[in-house]
Amino acid sequence: DAKTTQPPSMDCAEGRAANLPCNHSTISGNEYVYWYRQIHSQGPQYIIHGLKNNETNEMASLIITEDRKSSTLILPHATLRDTAVYYCIVRGGSNYKLTFGKGTLLTVNP
Amino acid sequence: GAGVSQTPSNKVTEKGKYVELRCDPISGHTALYWYRQSLGQGPEFLIYFQGTGAADDSGLPNDRFFAVRPEGSVSTLKIQRTERGDSAVYLCASSQGGGNEQYFGPGTRLTVT
Repeated sequence: DAKTTQPPSMDCAEGRAANLPCNHSTISGNEYVYWYRQIHSQGPQYIIHGLKNNETNEMASLIITEDRKSSTLILPHATLRDTAVYYCIVRGGSNYKLTFGKGTLLTVNP
Repeated sequence: GAGVSQTPSNKVTEKGKYVELRCDPISGHTALYWYRQSLGQGPEFLIYFQGTGAADDSGLPNDRFFAVRPEGSVSTLKIQRTERGDSAVYLCASSQGGGNEQYFGPGTRLTVT
């Protein structure tokens, strides 16, 4: 699976949109972009995934660039409970394992 | 419905002892995974079960680690002759078949003294 690069940390004000970037320049055509998050002392939580189209669900939006070499996870109205480590993972369609990096620690400030 | 559960939540053991960590996946999920997370790192893959069989155990660090899933539901991760370096949070996840979204349990924090 392709490697990903994320900033180690980001800050966001409560109520504002949080935009978390991820670079995956070596992504292959059949690989998906997945996002998980891990709140302190909990297991990782699935957020969203996409192949090439933008995706939205009740938690977040995923914007993937046309060349698929980078993506952005958007939390539209961040709350204090969104403070967590966010992991961007590239995963082949038939691959079952998740390869986690160190992720981005998002801190939402009041 | 009920999520993935893991027991115990915390386990402290002495170096050299044997430990078992249990995972109860979401009902109906055929795929089950074990990961290990050291402090400040992301989770690392250990083993993947599809049904009762271990489809991929390439992440197990050595032969002291073994996992079973005899009836295709509950899984047990077994660690023999524990070492201080085994101290970590052991996470279990399940999914509806391999390749789908994985749902994680809260983990078992293992401390080897």
